[in-house]
Amino acid sequence: GENVEQHPSTLSVQEGDSAVIKCTYSDSASNYFPWYKQELGKRPQLIIDIRSNVGEKKDQRIAVTLNKTAKHFSLHITETQPEDSAVYFCAASFTGNQFYFGTGTSLTVIP
Amino acid sequence: SQTIHQWPATLVQPVGSPLSLECTVEGTSNPNLYWYRQAAGRGLQLLFYSVGIGQISSEVPQNLSASRPQDRQFILSSKKLLLSDSGFYLCAWTNEKLFFGSGTQLSVL
Repeated sequence: GENVEQHPSTLSVQEGDSAVIKCTYSDSASNYFPWYKQELGKRPQLIIDIRSNVGEKKDQRIAVTLNKTAKHFSLHITETQPEDSAVYFCAASFTGNQFYFGTGTSLTVIP
Repeated sequence: SQTIHQWPATLVQPVGSPLSLECTVEGTSNPNLYWYRQAAGRGLQLLFYSVGIGQISSEVPQNLSASRPQDRQFILSSKKLLLSDSGFYLCAWTNEKLFFGSGTQLSVL
């Protein structure tokens, strides 16, 4: 089955700086890669996703890049704000039936 | 629009007691449904998923079971809870994108 690895497990940045979280996947058949943000005690919320026919996708301060050859994808958050502090999860999926999650990155934005 | 309802929000149960968590989805038909568990400070562990009524796949051997009696209803059960069953339980559904319910914080004491 698919194996998703996520790094780093914790990340601290100064407010205004950029944050990058990286994930690798093992199954070249995976074709959909969502990112979730989870605040303490809340449900994971989908913040951005990318399909394998696209190399990059942007939504305001967040962007995701995908390198199919290397089988890795990354989440980029620019101009970080304290409200960006949360746990972020990447995932990989093929067919949209099975979703395989990374182990999460705890992001802290220091004011 | 589609919505997912999950209840209860919090639950405190003694060891050895039964469990029943319920999840329903509105605004869609024949969704894929999932139960995930999250231990404190940990990642998302897939417990069960279902592609249709009565069709349940178990990802990890557990002290838990799941049932899907209706198209948009997914139930997580246990006959006898263990301390290790404590955690944050999340129901989810997909129509290509995966969306989570609000979760149930279960404490087994």
